[in-house]
Amino acid sequence: AQSVSQHNHHVILSEAASLELGCNYSYGGTVNLFWYVQYPGQHLQLLLKYFSGDPLVKGIKGFEAEFIKSKFSFNLRKPSVQWSDTAEYFCAVNGNTDKLIFGTGTRLQVFP
Amino acid sequence: DAGVTQSPTHLIKTRGQQVTLRCSPKSGHDTVSWYQQALGQGPQFIFQYYEEEERQRGNFPDRFSGHQFPNYSSELNVNALLLGDSALYLCASSLAGVHNNEQYFGPGTRLTVT
Repeated sequence: AQSVSQHNHHVILSEAASLELGCNYSYGGTVNLFWYVQYPGQHLQLLLKYFSGDPLVKGIKGFEAEFIKSKFSFNLRKPSVQWSDTAEYFCAVNGNTDKLIFGTGTRLQVFP
Repeated sequence: DAGVTQSPTHLIKTRGQQVTLRCSPKSGHDTVSWYQQALGQGPQFIFQYYEEEERQRGNFPDRFSGHQFPNYSSELNVNALLLGDSALYLCASSLAGVHNNEQYFGPGTRLTVT
C-alpha cells in the first residue's frame, strides 16, 4: 500500500538549532516527493519538491531535503532554525497521478 | 493573481444533513482536487476533477460527491453527514498537461458536525 511515515510528531527547538525531520515512503514505481508547510492560520504551501536529478533539493527559506532511494527516505533539513519556522510540516508523495499521499505531519515549535 | 479560494470558511452542520463546499481555482488552472484533513492528520485525497469529470477518486464513500463547472470552479457535496466527517476540507488546483505540476492549496473550509 502507498503510504508516507513521519516519525517525529512534535519537535521543539531553540533558535539557531539544526533541524532534521524524517520522512519515509512506501510507493511502487517512480515517485515525486514533496514537503509542504502550514504556518499557523495559513494554508498549505510548497516548501520544496523532488522529481528527478540531483537528490539534494533546495527549497524556500533555507530548507533542503535529500532523496535517498535505497532508504525510501526524503528527510527535511535546515542548518539553523528561526522562530518564524514554527509550523506544521507535511511530507507527501505521488507517482504517475496527481493524487498526493501525505504523512501525518510534524509540528515544529521554535523558541527564541 | 488570485490564489485558490474556498467558501465558506467555517460551517456547522447536524448529523444527517447535507453540505456543499465551494472552491475557485488559481487563475489559469483547470484541475481541482479535494482533500480531507482530520485533526492531527495529514490531508487525505477525496477526488479530482478535470474537464468537468471526476478523474480520480480516493477511498471515500459515495456520500462524497463533486462537480466541476465550465469556469473550472468546483463543489464538494457530502450527504448524510456523520460526526466523523468533521474536518478541514482543502481544495487544491493545478494545470493539467504540465509535467509534474504543482498543486496550490486553498485555506480550507472547517466543517463541524454535531
